[in-house]
Amino acid sequence: RKEVEQDPGPFNVPEGATVAFNCTYSNSASQSFFWYRQDCRKEPKLLMSVYSSGNEDGRFTAQLNRASQYISLLIRDSKLSDSATYLCAVNAGGGNKLTFGTGTQLKVEL
Amino acid sequence: SAVISQKPSRDICQRGTSLTIQCQVDSQVTMMFWYRQQPGQSLTLIATANQGSEATYESGFVIDKFPISRPNLTFSTLTVSNMSPEDSSIYLCSVRIADSYEQYFGPGTRLTVT
Repeated sequence: RKEVEQDPGPFNVPEGATVAFNCTYSNSASQSFFWYRQDCRKEPKLLMSVYSSGNEDGRFTAQLNRASQYISLLIRDSKLSDSATYLCAVNAGGGNKLTFGTGTQLKVEL
Repeated sequence: SAVISQKPSRDICQRGTSLTIQCQVDSQVTMMFWYRQQPGQSLTLIATANQGSEATYESGFVIDKFPISRPNLTFSTLTVSNMSPEDSSIYLCSVRIADSYEQYFGPGTRLTVT
């Protein structure tokens, strides 16, 4: 089993839709979780950290489910500009480094 | 966050040659990392660049192929040695600031080996 797994998609959704992605992790000792956004031919940019209590930033909500070992990202009222690849990252085992998922591609359409 | 620059932004190199990529940060950071992202793939950690000591390499990456320097808290270099077409990739540096596990990425270096 991979340390961090994501559905690669693509998720094609109409503008204004709500879409959710999950990311599962295998190491129960993982402590820190993040969502990154990566546009085509650009570097990943930190979207938000995922706290145990959840985290909300405008239209974006991130949740952590430790029992089932996954994190989620919910995007409400999707915009065309949300089209990108969303990467989850986990400090697997609580170490210094981050392990990234393969990313989920989102395409928001008119 | 931090402002991170990388040089060169892209290069086309012949097989058998070496390329050194520079990563400069505008403030002192606790940790610096080097990643590779091959076309259509996710990020793979090459090594952690340690200030004042040898880098810590991940499985599958060795110092002879990817020597790394980190002479101070704001600068690091990654050399891709004896390149082959399989080394064609985007190389990214990232930094961790203070006690947070958040990492911030440089713009990347797009390398093509012919």
